[in-house]
This record gives sequence, C-alpha cells and structure tokens, in this order.
Amino acid sequence: KAGVTQTPRYLIKTRGQQVTLSCSPISGHRSVSWYQQTPGQGLQFLFEYFSETQRNKGNFPGRFSGRQFSNSRSEMNVSTLELGDSALYLCASSQTGGDRANVLTFGAGSRLTVL
Amino acid sequence: KQEVTQIPAALSVPEGENLVLNCSFTDSAIYNLQWFRQDPGKGLTSLLLIQSSQREQTSGRLNASLDKSSGRSTLYIAASQPGDSATYLCAVLSGSARQLTFGSGTQLTVLP
Repeated sequence: KAGVTQTPRYLIKTRGQQVTLSCSPISGHRSVSWYQQTPGQGLQFLFEYFSETQRNKGNFPGRFSGRQFSNSRSEMNVSTLELGDSALYLCASSQTGGDRANVLTFGAGSRLTVL
Repeated sequence: KQEVTQIPAALSVPEGENLVLNCSFTDSAIYNLQWFRQDPGKGLTSLLLIQSSQREQTSGRLNASLDKSSGRSTLYIAASQPGDSATYLCAVLSGSARQLTFGSGTQLTVLP
C-alpha cells in the first residue's frame, strides 16, 4: 500500500512569489492535514481537509490556503512568500472510521526555501 | 490550549544503555498520543500510538506508556543502538479541531 506522497520534495522561491505544494494521501484516506515545521516554532497545524471541505484551521495568516479534490488529493498554496515561510511542510492523511481513525500517517515533506 | 513539553531536549548515551524520554501535556482530554521519530531533514516516522483508553504500547525495543490523568507519557528504549540516533517527537491529538499538538522533541545521540 503506497504511503503519503508529497511533491515537490524541495523547492526554492524568492520573496513575493507564490508556491503550491501537493499531497496524495494513502488510498482510502479521506482526511488530509497540513503542518509546518520550522526550527523556531516546531511543528504547527495549518489546516485539515475532509471530503473537499476545510474542516479545521490553525492560526496562520490568510496567505496560507489549501484545497482538496474529489480523489482526496490536496494542495496547499502560500502567496506573497516571506523569508519566514521557509520550512518543511508536512502532509498527513487518516481514515475516517474504524480502529485506525485519528491515526495520522505523514509524508516525507516538502522543503521550501524562500530567498 | 493544549501544550506539550518534552524533557530532556537532548540526550547522549553510550550504546547498549536503556533510556527514557518524557512527554507531558496540559489537557488530558485527548484522543490519542503518538511518538514519532524524525531523522535530519526527513519526515516523521510513527513509532507507537496509544489510544486514550490504553495504558501502554510496545513495539520491539520500544515501550510507550500513557497516564492520561497526570498528563504524562514516557518512551522507553531498551538496549539503545547508534541507529536509534534521531529526534523523538511526542504528539497528542485533542480538541474539537482534532489537531496534533507536538512537543519540541528530544534529540537523541547513541554513541558507539
């Protein structure tokens, strides 16, 4: 069974640009969550999507947005990039019922560097 | 607001030692607690998950316990090996938002 796949794995952008990151969840998983990891703030929750709807959102500015498609794949977008957006962005998926509900499986992450 | 604390922040031990990593959380109303391992520059690997109704979980040389009432969890690593060197993160799933709150991690170095 394939794991959570994130693309691209690495990317470099300049301030003011925008970026889109992609996440393909484990087959059958309908919930996708996004987290940001930085050396200063650690791992922080960005948002969660379920059935193409944003179900929960963390405390991040509106420049951070996401969406989920009918096949459960998710994208997150960061507009008007700032130096502080440099981070490892992690995606996690989970099933929505049964004994494995609420168990998150993480992808390898997308490392964004903003110059 | 849930807060998760991990002690110690860093730990260096000789190969073969048994060791304990600590995690504490402020809100005991959790769905589950997970221990993750993270190697430098990599994603998260789930080690053990303890549901809120459970007291402990074991996998190989790893044993994790959960005391929900006191807001504490420990990860016990037996007979440590250099390959165990990594950052270990504790995370609790809680709240109506069902979000994971992570501790800042314990950076473990096992010396050969």
